[in-house]
Amino acid sequence: DSGVTQTPKHLITATGQRVTLRCSPRSGDLSVYWYQQSLDQGLQFLIQYYNGEERAKGNILERFSAQQFPDLHSELNLSSLELGDSALYFCASSVTGTGYSPLHFGNGTRLTVT
Amino acid sequence: LAKTTQPISMDSYEGQEVNITCSHNNIATNDYITWYQQFPSQGPRFIIQGYKTKVTNEVASLFIPADRKSSTLSLPRVSLSDTAVYYCLVGEDTNAGKSTFGDGTTLTVKP
Repeated sequence: DSGVTQTPKHLITATGQRVTLRCSPRSGDLSVYWYQQSLDQGLQFLIQYYNGEERAKGNILERFSAQQFPDLHSELNLSSLELGDSALYFCASSVTGTGYSPLHFGNGTRLTVT
Repeated sequence: LAKTTQPISMDSYEGQEVNITCSHNNIATNDYITWYQQFPSQGPRFIIQGYKTKVTNEVASLFIPADRKSSTLSLPRVSLSDTAVYYCLVGEDTNAGKSTFGDGTTLTVKP
């Protein structure tokens, strides 16, 4: 058990809808990351937060947004969903958010857009 | 950004030692090298991390030559349960999130 909790585990929704994915980091970790993993794309970095502030942004679509709250949990909002957004979405956390602080991943939210 | 290159796949047999090499030619001075293991439909799991020379923990060893342009993950006496995808990640000192996971190496352990 990595200590990172993601909810829900599965989500099935229709195109055009909006969903929210939630992540609780390991106790003591200040940085949260979001990744998308689909069959043909591998692990794609979306966005990173450190102690409530955005630290790095990757290939995150404008339809997607995220935030990290004062209690350090994070939410990833996906809107105007398309079929191609179906994927596993992973949250990871680390202590310092730097390269020498290993990432600890949750078990993901599997999103299916129909 | 340090781009990594790994073999796409490797096969091994139970009880053998497996070495997976990752190339990262443009690694920066402050970058760390971290290896992760991922099983299907699960999040990647941290295995080992190093900066230079050799690091060993209870599950693996990591060998990093002096020029740091590559690293080798060594798994001693693999078992069927070690069948997984293995990723090396070269971590940016200040913005770890910008580190990119490559395609990883799919290790298949056969009986």
